[in-house]
Amino acid sequence: GAGVSQSPSNKVTEKGKDVELRCDPISGHTALYWYRQSLGQGLEFLIYFQGNSAPDKSGLPSDRFSAERTGGSVSTLTIQRTQQEDSAVYLCASSLASWAGNTIYFGEGSWLTVV
Amino acid sequence: QQQVKQSPQSLIVQKGGISIINCAYENTAFDYFPWYQQFPGKGPALLIAIRPDVSEKKEGRFTISFNKSAKQFSLHIMDSQPGDSATYFCAASGASGSRLTFGEGTQLTVNP
Repeated sequence: GAGVSQSPSNKVTEKGKDVELRCDPISGHTALYWYRQSLGQGLEFLIYFQGNSAPDKSGLPSDRFSAERTGGSVSTLTIQRTQQEDSAVYLCASSLASWAGNTIYFGEGSWLTVV
Repeated sequence: QQQVKQSPQSLIVQKGGISIINCAYENTAFDYFPWYQQFPGKGPALLIAIRPDVSEKKEGRFTISFNKSAKQFSLHIMDSQPGDSATYFCAASGASGSRLTFGEGTQLTVNP
């Protein structure tokens, strides 16, 4: 596609339920990132993929959060047993390569509300 | 540990004025400093970026000034327009590959 595509765009879930958020990066981009943005806050790094491997998972806030990437393309971020503090916009981004200076392109985000 | 600090948190300027947003970083391994612009309901989009081998970069009405010794960089928006009203984030990368570390953001409002 022309840009980074994320789905769903909005998700309301009950506390304790699991959610899956999907990201389709720009075609040919080998690096993929997940960030979280809470209301009125900055962007918090979650995890980074190079191809299908995740060399940097340091930003995942707890073991309820996991992510995978398959075929060097689509990525899924899974949040298990959601809590109200998980409510945020989850942003996916991709870049052509993983070295600094590559432009990182963001999707429009998946807005997650946990009630 | 907040590695990139951004100020001010919010900024109001009149149309035609100059908007200035400042950032400071701690990690000397950073070697790429982009600014992102985000409109409500949208993802951040790259506005302009600089490497530390130059002290200034200009693209249209947007200029980055970079002070390596002070570990500071700033965004200047000349002739600010109402359409520039958005949230601006400074960022840095290089310490961990291309992963970006973001500042807290500045909400800019340009009044007509």
